[in-house]
Amino acid sequence: SQKIEQNSEALNIQEGKTATLTCNYTNYSPAYLQWYRQDPGRGPVFLLLIRENEKEKRKERLKVTFDTTLKQSLFHITASQPADSATYLCALEGRGSYIPTFGRGTSLIVHP
Amino acid sequence: EAQVTQNPRYLITVTGKKLTVTCSQNMNHEYMSWYRQDPGLGLRQIYYSMNVEVTDKGDVPEGYKVSRKEKRNFPLILESPSPNQTSLYFCASSNGLGQPQHFGDGTRLSIL
Repeated sequence: SQKIEQNSEALNIQEGKTATLTCNYTNYSPAYLQWYRQDPGRGPVFLLLIRENEKEKRKERLKVTFDTTLKQSLFHITASQPADSATYLCALEGRGSYIPTFGRGTSLIVHP
Repeated sequence: EAQVTQNPRYLITVTGKKLTVTCSQNMNHEYMSWYRQDPGLGLRQIYYSMNVEVTDKGDVPEGYKVSRKEKRNFPLILESPSPNQTSLYFCASSNGLGQPQHFGDGTRLSIL
């Protein structure tokens, strides 16, 4: 069956460092991969989308990579700040699926 | 302002008492969907709709109904709620494959 795996353990880092979050998947051939941020009690907010034929995408301090051979995406936040503390979700869309399937998310805690 | 609006935000009710959670979007999006989010299980699709009068089951549709009579509205109906439907519910909309999902702020349901 299709599976999306994100590290269930929280990632703790110091302010100013680069945070790297991982999204692995199996039995899936996504056409698109998206990353979202979710704050407690709020709905997820879209951050970045990367297509299957793209290796890397950047937006300000955010960078996403997509390796369809390894079946993995990495999400990087450079120069992290305490305000970046949140849960980050990856979501995959296959061709013809229309609605993405979400991973369980990884909590990021940035310490001042 | 582009938004997805859910009501109510919080509801405590009893087993068997029919309830409806409303969802409305003002972005003229074709696709709308409902998710539930539970600790350790992440976001799971309940139902989705690709257009007016077109709906389909997601991963966990049992005990729920939806309708899409107008493009902007996509209510979630629990005909006979049970305690295992206690959860945080999110409505989302998008313009389709490869497009960001826009989420509402969530509805926290407690079924006693």
